[in-house]
Amino acid sequence: SYDLTQPLSMSVALGQTAIITCEANNIGSESVHWYQQKPGQAPVLVIYRDTNRPSGIPERFSGSNSGNTATLTIGRAQAGDEADYYCHVWDGRTGFFGGGTTLTVL
Amino acid sequence: QVQLVQSGPEAKKPGASVKVSCKTSGYTFTSFDIHWVRQATGQGLEWMGWMNPNTGYTGYAQKFQGRVTMSRNPSINTAYMDLNSLRSDDTAIYYCARRYASWYAFDIWGQGTVITVSS
Repeated sequence: SYDLTQPLSMSVALGQTAIITCEANNIGSESVHWYQQKPGQAPVLVIYRDTNRPSGIPERFSGSNSGNTATLTIGRAQAGDEADYYCHVWDGRTGFFGGGTTLTVL
Repeated sequence: QVQLVQSGPEAKKPGASVKVSCKTSGYTFTSFDIHWVRQATGQGLEWMGWMNPNTGYTGYAQKFQGRVTMSRNPSINTAYMDLNSLRSDDTAIYYCARRYASWYAFDIWGQGTVITVSS
C-alpha cells in the first residue's frame, strides 16, 4: 500500500522552473507516472515510468525518482502549464494516486 | 485515432445502481487493460479497479469490493463499470482509462461520466 504525499499547491513565476514532489516510503523502488489535469478535462499523461515523456509532451517536462521522493520538473513554465498534477503508482495489484498539486503560474 | 468514449451523465437515488460504458476504438480492444478512476467534485483522483478485456479478469480496490463489477463485451469493443448501493458520496466523475502495457501508465482516458446520487 502506498500513501503518496504531494504538496496541495505551489506557484512558479512565468519562465521559471517548477518542481512538484511525490513522497512515499521507498517510492524509488516503483515506477511513478504523472498526469496533468486542467479544469473540466480528463487527465493527460505527461511522464511515465519515472522519466519518460509520451509523444507530444514538451521536453520542458521531466521526471525523476529515487529514495522516498519522485519529482516532476516543469522548466520554463508557461501560463498553459497551470493545472493539477497527480503522481500515480501501480504496485502490481492496486493503483494509487497522490492527492494532487495545483500549480499556479504567476 | 485511439479513443475511449463514455456514456452520458446519470442521476440516481441512494441505493440504486449505475452502469457506465466505455466504448473503445482505434486499437485492439483485447490488448490493453481498462482501469476505472473516479473524481469527486474538487477532489483528487481515486483508483477503483481494472479489467483485462481479453480474459475478463478483474481487480478492485478494497474500498469498492462487493459494490463494483467491471465487465466487457469484446464484440463491440466496450468495457463497463457497474456500481451498486449508491450513496451520496459516490457523486463524482467516473473515468475509464487504457493502461499502455509496457508503460504501466494510463495513456488514453475517456471524457468522463458524471454520476449524481441524490434523493
